[in-house]
Amino acid sequence: SAVISQKPSRDICQRGTSLTIQCQVDSQVTMMFWYRQQPGQSLTLIATANQGSEATYESGFVIDKFPISRPNLTFSTLTVSNMSPEDSSIYLCSVRLAGDTQYFGPGTRLTVL
Amino acid sequence: RKEVEQDPGPFNVPEGATVAFNCTYSNSASQSFFWYRQDCRKEPKLLMSVYSSGNEDGRFTAQLNRASQYISLLIRDSKLSDSATYLCVVNPGGGATNKLIFGTGTLLAVQP
Repeated sequence: SAVISQKPSRDICQRGTSLTIQCQVDSQVTMMFWYRQQPGQSLTLIATANQGSEATYESGFVIDKFPISRPNLTFSTLTVSNMSPEDSSIYLCSVRLAGDTQYFGPGTRLTVL
Repeated sequence: RKEVEQDPGPFNVPEGATVAFNCTYSNSASQSFFWYRQDCRKEPKLLMSVYSSGNEDGRFTAQLNRASQYISLLIRDSKLSDSATYLCVVNPGGGATNKLIFGTGTLLAVQP
């Protein structure tokens, strides 16, 4: 497995502001992903963070709202832009190692007032 | 129809009991299957992959039935520490080989 850390672990933000979440992995990984888990629901994939190119977004998610950076093979950021209370969620990064197995970071718990 | 469906529970069982969770998936071309465990306010953690022939890891047994598009997880001799949400996870394959589809999870509460 890999050791994955996320910062911040939690935040409370005002609507209209933006928050950037960082994900750091202790080894180089090709595949990194960002997920959202809304209250009482399961995980939904936001996008695949591609190193050296634009992220690949899933249906319902757009770059203007969730810009992603992937400057190298151990680090990625997800920004939640122009936040509204509906963005209150847990945001998790994950990495894919052997085969299809994915391992998750501890998550960032976001509350938007 | 949801891509991955699970009984949300909760399953309340006494210590030592055997409990089984079921999961169905809609895409017959799905390639790989997993069970993850998520503790309250924590990230999901891989419990086990599910292989076509079925597989066992200690008290945990996973089964796959491709014809019925059905996955199961059996927990024997339940422990208090088994209390968690169990997520059925499917890789739909095809052009989306990186994507994992998560079920909404089945909540297990093991009672002393």
